[in-house]
Amino acid sequence: AQSVTQLGSHVSVSEGALVLLRCNYSSSVPPYLFWYVQYPNQGLQLLLKYTSAATLVKGINGFEAEFKKSETSFHLTKPSAHMSDAAEYFCAVSETGGFKTIFGAGTRLFVKA
Amino acid sequence: KAGVTQTPRYLIKTRGQQVTLSCSPISGHRSVSWYQQTPGQGLQFLFEYFSETQRNKGNFPGRFSGRQFSNSRSEMNVSTLELGDSALYLCASSLGRTAQGTDTQYFGPGTRLTVL
Repeated sequence: AQSVTQLGSHVSVSEGALVLLRCNYSSSVPPYLFWYVQYPNQGLQLLLKYTSAATLVKGINGFEAEFKKSETSFHLTKPSAHMSDAAEYFCAVSETGGFKTIFGAGTRLFVKA
Repeated sequence: KAGVTQTPRYLIKTRGQQVTLSCSPISGHRSVSWYQQTPGQGLQFLFEYFSETQRNKGNFPGRFSGRQFSNSRSEMNVSTLELGDSALYLCASSLGRTAQGTDTQYFGPGTRLTVL
């Protein structure tokens, strides 16, 4: 069965600092992996997705994530945090040929001035 | 191109009532998925429709049902509402050309349901 674990329900960084949001997955088949962002009172917006084409995936707003099969991880990073990055971030997994997307519990990112 | 729209945005119901939520996908998208988001359980998959057929279903009781029309618009119905059904209900649309896992989903803003 698929599952996603996001380490840390809350992460706080200073503006300009590195953002690192951790995600580990479990899947019996090669997975498709996603990072979404959700701002208050809004739906989810896709940041980036891994579909086996390249292990380092670049997304919108300067975010990127690296797929590491040996560590079953797909951590999200951004070199320099901006105040506008404050939001909730969700890691998600979907199996090849599957129809369901399984979401992690989410990590709320706080950015301090 | 207009995004995914959901109506209504906010809804208040009492226990035992039923409710219908609506989702209009992006033009050209044939797949619509529904999710329930709560603080305790997070985001949970309800079901997915493609070309008026339910392709997959999550682990929710039969009180939760859905349908999709020929224009790809979808409705979700919850009967005999319980307090625990209070949640943000999100729908997402995609082209549906391949399995959901490979197709980008675009989410609507959600319908916030409160059950009193």
